[in-house]
Amino acid sequence: RKEVEQDPGPFNVPEGATVAFNCTYSNSASQSFFWYRQDCRKEPKLLMSVYSSGNEDGRFTAQLNRASQYISLLIRDSKLSDSATYLCVVNLGRGSTLGRLYFGRGTQLTVWP
Amino acid sequence: DGGITQSPKYLFRKEGQNVTLSCEQNLNHDAMYWYRQDPGQGLRLIYYSQIVNDFQKGDIAEGYSVSREKKESFPLTVTSAQKNPTAFYLCASSILSPNTEAFFGQGTRLTVV
Repeated sequence: RKEVEQDPGPFNVPEGATVAFNCTYSNSASQSFFWYRQDCRKEPKLLMSVYSSGNEDGRFTAQLNRASQYISLLIRDSKLSDSATYLCVVNLGRGSTLGRLYFGRGTQLTVWP
Repeated sequence: DGGITQSPKYLFRKEGQNVTLSCEQNLNHDAMYWYRQDPGQGLRLIYYSQIVNDFQKGDIAEGYSVSREKKESFPLTVTSAQKNPTAFYLCASSILSPNTEAFFGQGTRLTVV
């Protein structure tokens, strides 16, 4: 079983739509969680960290459910510039794996005019 | 400006040749990582290093080698033993913390000709 599982999509939505991505992780001892954004043929860049209480940054909201071991990302009022691949990332955060990140395969989003 | 630099951006290799990809960071991060990404796939860990003169195999280390002689540098050699080396290679670095994210270089696109 993979450490991190994501629905690869693709998600195709019109501008202004709300879209949600989910991600599940297998190791209950995982310490920290992130969403990265990757544009075509570019490196991944941190979009936001995911905290237990949930956190919001403008149009983006991230949620963590430790009991069910899933992470979500909600994008409201989608813009054309949101088109990218969104990567769910988990840090086990202990021992020899301290700092090592596990990546999902990514969910592709296309926002159309 | 602090950051992580990979070179070259594009690299062409003949079959049977070894090539070395450069990765340098001036963020004073202890940990450094090499990932491989294939089209439509997530990031897969090749090697990582938490401290100078020490490194550990990731999930797909066969056919690759690394060194960590300096904190700032973590070069990756793709050897002739790697059967399918054409891919996008990403180097990353992070502090050693349970809650850390990773910062990526711009990547090296390797093509075997």
